[in-house]
Amino acid sequence: QVRLVESGGGVVQPGTSLRLSCAASGLSFNNYVMTWVRQAPGKGLEWVAIILYDGSNEYYADSVKGRFTISRDNSRNTLYLQMHSLRAEDTAVYYCAKSAQTFCSGIDCHVFDHWGQGTLVTVSS
Amino acid sequence: DIQMTQSPSTLSASVGDRVTITCRASQSVSSWLAWYQQKPGKAPKLLMYKASSLQSGVPSRFSGTGSGTEFTLSISSLQPDDFATYYCQQYNSYPLTFGGGTKVEIK
Repeated sequence: QVRLVESGGGVVQPGTSLRLSCAASGLSFNNYVMTWVRQAPGKGLEWVAIILYDGSNEYYADSVKGRFTISRDNSRNTLYLQMHSLRAEDTAVYYCAKSAQTFCSGIDCHVFDHWGQGTLVTVSS
Repeated sequence: DIQMTQSPSTLSASVGDRVTITCRASQSVSSWLAWYQQKPGKAPKLLMYKASSLQSGVPSRFSGTGSGTEFTLSISSLQPDDFATYYCQQYNSYPLTFGGGTKVEIK
């Protein structure tokens, strides 16, 4: 079955960097769009970034543009989120998720049917 | 950016009730609207996509309607497993955006 496992979260100081990973199994990873969605404690869901199945395009929320970079290694079935210049407002559980459809290029298929369990990032001095 | 507004933010209901949650978009998203269910401490679960298409494995008591700017998620007969928070998500344009959530709690 499909399994997505995030790692790399932790407690960091403002202004520092962190890299999250999402290891995928049970699927043809390179067939799927992958995304990161975060949830601040007690708050709702916030989309962060997305990368197409072949890594050809990436899109970001304005709140992280220029600070975060999404990438993927299809040979390792792994998704990444490199986060720089972290702020207190980046504190959240970060989820990775896969698109429901394969070979999805258009935004009209950006719904996500499998999610990881999340990894908590806490930015605090 | 397209703003998604859900109402109500909290809904109190009993097992067996029919419940309806509304999601409004600040501009048209056509039918590119999904619904997710989330339980405390768990990842979201996809329920509906393209406004009214039921995701595989989701019980048929869930249904979705709407297009353009107004959408609804209905549960025909609330079951104990349905007490959770529900989110809508538009995928008509970047950035992808979620509604603020509707918590369905036990009356």
